[in-house]
Amino acid sequence: KAGVTQTPRYLIKTRGQQVTLSCSPISGHRSVSWYQQTPGQGLQFLFEYFSETQRNKGNFPGRFSGRQFSNSRSEMNVSTLELGDSALYLCASSPGRGQGEQYFGPGTRLTVT
Amino acid sequence: AQRVTQPEKLLSVFKGAPVELKCNYSYSGSPELFWYVQYSRQRLQLLLRHISRESIKGFTADLNKGETSFHLKKPFAQEEDSAMYYCALRPPYNTDKLIFGTGTRLQVFP
Repeated sequence: KAGVTQTPRYLIKTRGQQVTLSCSPISGHRSVSWYQQTPGQGLQFLFEYFSETQRNKGNFPGRFSGRQFSNSRSEMNVSTLELGDSALYLCASSPGRGQGEQYFGPGTRLTVT
Repeated sequence: AQRVTQPEKLLSVFKGAPVELKCNYSYSGSPELFWYVQYSRQRLQLLLRHISRESIKGFTADLNKGETSFHLKKPFAQEEDSAMYYCALRPPYNTDKLIFGTGTRLQVFP
């Protein structure tokens, strides 16, 4: 089975712009979660999607949003980028919420200048 | 408050020495506890989960509900164990949300 894939792997944006990151889960996995990883804050939960519905949201401003498609692929969007949004964004997939192991993707490295 | 604490940022040992990576958690309920590992230039991957009570790569972890701890142990460290280790908590309700500790970097010297 192919693992979780994330595109793009690297991204450089300017403050004030917006960005969309994509995550393709393992085939058959229906749950996708997103995390932000920074040196200062570590790994922080962003969202959880299952059956095209956001089931959980972390403590992030409304500039951070996401969605899940019928094929379980997920995207997250950050609008009005700030310097502090520079981070590694990870997604993880699992067969179902609270079921089985979560598998992580390689991440998208976002740099905001 | 839901929190996972890993008090050590860095743990350095020599090959063959015992290793204990500490993890304490704060959660009112019965969460599921995990250890994740990230080797250099590799993805974050699951190492152990408390409900499986198994040993992976010689590592074990016991959930102590009284002390709210889930320390990771290995009797004899190997150089290939050098990596970043994260303790994580998952609430017991129907969710994949993970609350991570800040991680401990384990360095095993030859």
